Amino acid sequence: AQKVTQAQTEISVVEKEDVTLDCVYETRDTTYYLFWYKQPPSGELVFLIRRNSFDEQNEISGRYSWNFQKSTSSFNFTITASQVVDSAVYFCALSEPNDYKLSFGAGTTVTVRA
Amino acid sequence: EAEVAQSPRYKITEKSQAVAFWCDPISGHATLYWYRQILGQGPELLVQFQDESVVDDSQLPKDRFSAERLKGVDSTLKIQPAELGDSAMYLCASTIRGRLNTEAFFGQGTRLTVV
Repeated sequence: AQKVTQAQTEISVVEKEDVTLDCVYETRDTTYYLFWYKQPPSGELVFLIRRNSFDEQNEISGRYSWNFQKSTSSFNFTITASQVVDSAVYFCALSEPNDYKLSFGAGTTVTVRA
Repeated sequence: EAEVAQSPRYKITEKSQAVAFWCDPISGHATLYWYRQILGQGPELLVQFQDESVVDDSQLPKDRFSAERLKGVDSTLKIQPAELGDSAMYLCASTIRGRLNTEAFFGQGTRLTVV
C-alpha cells in the first residue's frame, strides 16, 4: 500500500502566485516524521522542511510554509510568491520508527512561468 | 560544504552487461541508502547500510543486484546483468545515524540507461 500520496501530478503557475502542494500519508505509528524534498533538474534531492508527529503547529520559513493536520493525515506545503527557480519536482516523504527509511510520494512537478 | 559524491553521473550500457555505481557519503555518516527512481516516480529504497552491515535489502533484486560497503564508508551498487527495466536514476543518501528525525542528504545520482 502506498504510504505517501501526492495527488497532484503537475502544477503550473505564473511567477508570484502561491503554490500549495498536497500530501496525504498513512502510518500506524504514533511517532513519525514528515519531510518535503525538492528535486531540481540537476537531479539531487534537496531537503526543505521536516515535521514530527507531535507538533502540529504550522510554521513559516521564508517563502515556505506548511500545514500539518494529523486528523486528516495531511502535510501540505505552500510556496508563497513563487519564482522561476522554484520550478522542480517536490516530494513528500514519511519516516517511521521501524525502519528509519524515507517513503516517498510520487512527486508533484511545479512549473513557474515568468 | 559536505556532500554525498556519486559517480558516474550518467551511464549507458547494453542489456546483459554489468554496471557499477559508486557512492561516497558525507564524512561521519554511518547510515547509507541506495534508492532507485524510475522516471515520473518517487525514489524507492533498494538497500540500507548501517556502517558496513546491511539493515534492509528487502527491495533489492538479489538475483542481479548487489551492494557492498566493506569498510563502512563508501559503497558500490552493482547490476549484473543489466535489463532494460533497470533504466532509472540511482540515488545515494546518507545520514549521521539512522534516526527518525534526521534528514537524509542525497547525491546527484547516476542516471542509467540500458539499451
